[in-house]
Amino acid sequence: KQEVTQIPAALSVPEGENLVLNCSFTDSAIYNLQWFRQDPGKGLTSLLLIQSSQREQTSGRLNASLDKSSGRSTLYIAASQPGDSATYLCAVQLNTDKLIFGTGTRLQVFP
Amino acid sequence: EAEVAQSPRYKITEKSQAVAFWCDPISGHATLYWYRQILGQGPELLVQFQDESVVDDSQLPKDRFSAERLKGVDSTLKIQPAELGDSAMYLCASSPGGMGTGRNEQFFGPGTRLTVL
Repeated sequence: KQEVTQIPAALSVPEGENLVLNCSFTDSAIYNLQWFRQDPGKGLTSLLLIQSSQREQTSGRLNASLDKSSGRSTLYIAASQPGDSATYLCAVQLNTDKLIFGTGTRLQVFP
Repeated sequence: EAEVAQSPRYKITEKSQAVAFWCDPISGHATLYWYRQILGQGPELLVQFQDESVVDDSQLPKDRFSAERLKGVDSTLKIQPAELGDSAMYLCASSPGGMGTGRNEQFFGPGTRLTVL
């Protein structure tokens, strides 16, 4: 059974720091991996999608890497801003299109 | 920009009552998903539709939950009767293609926050 774990569960940093959020999964047979952002009480916003054949994707200050063989992904946030404060969720997609989510990392960036 | 629509945004009900949630996916998206997210946890898939057909409802509590997508467009998720443990965020998502097409990035709606008293 596929399980997804995210570390740390919570993170509080001053503005301007570079951050790394970690995601690990138990079964390397995945179709792709997505990183989402969720603001309190809101839905999910897709940040990055990495196909299983890719090793990384970049969007602005965000960079996500994928190492299928070791069952790991990292989300790198450069020069963090207070507006980045949110919960970040990692999800692996199976070949049935089903997403299996981690429990998230709650990020707070203070001025 | 096209978005997934959900209503209502918030619902408060008493246990044993019936509730229903509605989702309108992005136009042209073949696959529709309903997820449940308990506070502090990641979302969990309840049911997945490919057009009007159910392809995965293995985690749907079928004694009280039902879902339909009659014309392969919008969808309704119903709970009857509601229980205290059903309090959660119910999220709808859609993706453009079917299984194995590679067009499977999921786009989420704003969710319905259900509170059962």
